[in-house]
Amino acid sequence: AQSVAQPEDQVNVAEGNPLTVKCTYSVSGNPYLFWYVQYPNRGLQFLLKYITGDNLVKGSYGFEAEFNKSQTSFHLKKPSALVSDSALYFCAVRDRSGGGNKLTFGTGTQLKVEL
Amino acid sequence: GAGVSQSPRYKVAKRGQDVALRCDPISGHVSLFWYQQALGQGPEFLTYFQNEAQLDKSGLPSDRFFAERPEGSVSTLKIQRTQQEDSAVYLCASSLDGWPSYEQYFGPGTRLTVT
Repeated sequence: AQSVAQPEDQVNVAEGNPLTVKCTYSVSGNPYLFWYVQYPNRGLQFLLKYITGDNLVKGSYGFEAEFNKSQTSFHLKKPSALVSDSALYFCAVRDRSGGGNKLTFGTGTQLKVEL
Repeated sequence: GAGVSQSPRYKVAKRGQDVALRCDPISGHVSLFWYQQALGQGPEFLTYFQNEAQLDKSGLPSDRFFAERPEGSVSTLKIQRTQQEDSAVYLCASSLDGWPSYEQYFGPGTRLTVT
């Protein structure tokens, strides 16, 4: 079975400060990992993914994420937060072996960036 | 180009009614997924199609839920005899290929309210 944990329901950051949204995962094999962002009344938008190779993945809108196999984590980061980054962020995982094609999502982290 | 579209965007049904939710995937996308997102939760997998073949329906919560994609493009999720616990946002996603490393692109969702 595959699962994702997002330990923080909400993260508050001042604009211009770095942000981190945490994600840990559990799979029986090796993972494919994804981050999505959801704005109100809109569908999920793909931000970035880890497939293989470099542990630091860069994505849309200046976001990046670091894959850490020993800690089974895939935290989302951005060096300088913008008010427009305020949204709901979801981490998702697929097990490469036996997980099929379905994504398993975390419960989401609400990011609030304030002036 | 056009993204994934879903209709209707909002649906109110009385308990016991049947509903049909439509998904138009991105043109040329082979894979199509349905997810259910309850309030305050992450999306949960319902079913997966590759072209017209339904390869995984392990997430469908009961035999009242039925999905089809007869020509390998548009898909319909049907819920018979709706119950209050069916109230949720139903998300459709498509991806270019069936390979698990491909990201999924989500539609805006259909918010179903069962009264």
